[in-house]
Amino acid sequence: DVKVTQSSRYLVKRTGEKVFLECVQDMDHENMFWYRQDPGLGLRLIYFSYDVKMKEKGDIPEGYSVSREKKERFSLILESASTNQTSMYLCATGQLLMNTEAFFGQGTRLTVV
Amino acid sequence: GQQVMQIPQYQHVQEGEDFTTYCNSSTTLSNIQWYKQRPGGHPVFLIQLVKSGEVKKQKRLTFQFGEAKKNSSLHITATQTTDVGTYFCAGGRTNFGNEKLTFGTGTRLTIIP
Repeated sequence: DVKVTQSSRYLVKRTGEKVFLECVQDMDHENMFWYRQDPGLGLRLIYFSYDVKMKEKGDIPEGYSVSREKKERFSLILESASTNQTSMYLCATGQLLMNTEAFFGQGTRLTVV
Repeated sequence: GQQVMQIPQYQHVQEGEDFTTYCNSSTTLSNIQWYKQRPGGHPVFLIQLVKSGEVKKQKRLTFQFGEAKKNSSLHITATQTTDVGTYFCAGGRTNFGNEKLTFGTGTRLTIIP
């Protein structure tokens, strides 16, 4: 059974803080993704990675960065959190040449005050 | 960039009625996936369609992929309360040899018992 674990379910941070969201998967998948989910906008891709130390910008990378030092771990970093980054963040993983399903973590609901 | 739109955004149906959600991409897709997100949960994979004009069925759910591989639909026959949730399509597109999934905006289904 694939497990994708996000470090926190709920998080409250102050404007200007540096925020780390961690995601760990146990299925040895090459691809990992970070999405944010907002009502009416669906899931929007922030960044993805198809290998260790490799990263690609998604559709809305501004204000975010990522780190993939190990295959099983993909971190999303908010360098200076802002209130418009209040959202649900979802990590997902999948195999290379992903003609297979994506597996999601349980999500982190981040509130920036 | 690639856009994947879904309609309707919300749908309220009486239990036992049918339900359909439509997905349209601005670009040709290599495959289309469908996910269901229960309230408070994370997206869970339902199915993938790859071939032009493909139709697949899962019990009361029927999935179609358009001939031009730019649109898709999910139809649920005789809805039940367990069908409640948000349904997302996700278009696959090859990016430097790796698959990038772009999610639609989602259709939120509520059932009136």
